[in-house]
Amino acid sequence: QVQLQESGPGLVKPSQTLSLTCTLSDDSIRSGLYYWSWIRQHPGKGLEWIGHIYNSGTTNYNPSLKSRVSISSDMSERHFSLKLTSVTAADTAVYFCARESIREATFDVWGQGTRVIVSS
Amino acid sequence: DIQMTQSPSSLSASVGDRVTLTCQAPHDIGTSLNWYQQKPGKAPKLLIYDASNLQTGVSPRFSGDGSGRDFTLTITILQPDDFATYYCQQGDNFPRTFGPGTTVDFK
Repeated sequence: QVQLQESGPGLVKPSQTLSLTCTLSDDSIRSGLYYWSWIRQHPGKGLEWIGHIYNSGTTNYNPSLKSRVSISSDMSERHFSLKLTSVTAADTAVYFCARESIREATFDVWGQGTRVIVSS
Repeated sequence: DIQMTQSPSSLSASVGDRVTLTCQAPHDIGTSLNWYQQKPGKAPKLLIYDASNLQTGVSPRFSGDGSGRDFTLTITILQPDDFATYYCQQGDNFPRTFGPGTTVDFK
């Protein structure tokens, strides 16, 4: 099955934009069966869904982050990306990309996660 | 948002024990409830979907039950590899939300 790999800077300065990319091992990003999602986990805390993109380019974001987040993809490529603007220390977390099965509403494939620290 | 709750927040158990974790939704979510296992430094792993369906490749020692507001995850014959944190997640509505987790550790 598909494998996911996050990449991006591990350190971001406050007020700047956090940018991460999730690369897929196959072309399934164009499948209509899945949402392609970002989820984060603050240190020692639980999981927070950030948002997702669908193959049509449709996006859906967590209202708590909606004003600062965007998820995009070039569906001809094997990746999708996260941008989070105006970051603060509260955005320090491990960021996961994940595949959500639309039919079962499950996150059935995850990347290994990438740690992002917001600090000057 | 659908705020999920889990209890207990942690529990201590021994190898061979049977443990039951609970998850509750604030309103009826049918069976749109999934369970994940997470170990330190790793991504969560899907165990149970749609409240009671075992994900392919997951040990049958894991089972899920429930509908509506109340759900359980049961682990029978606890193995050393099962000591981890378990999260429930609702798939009924957006934003998707997870419970705060239950950590199962060694007694």
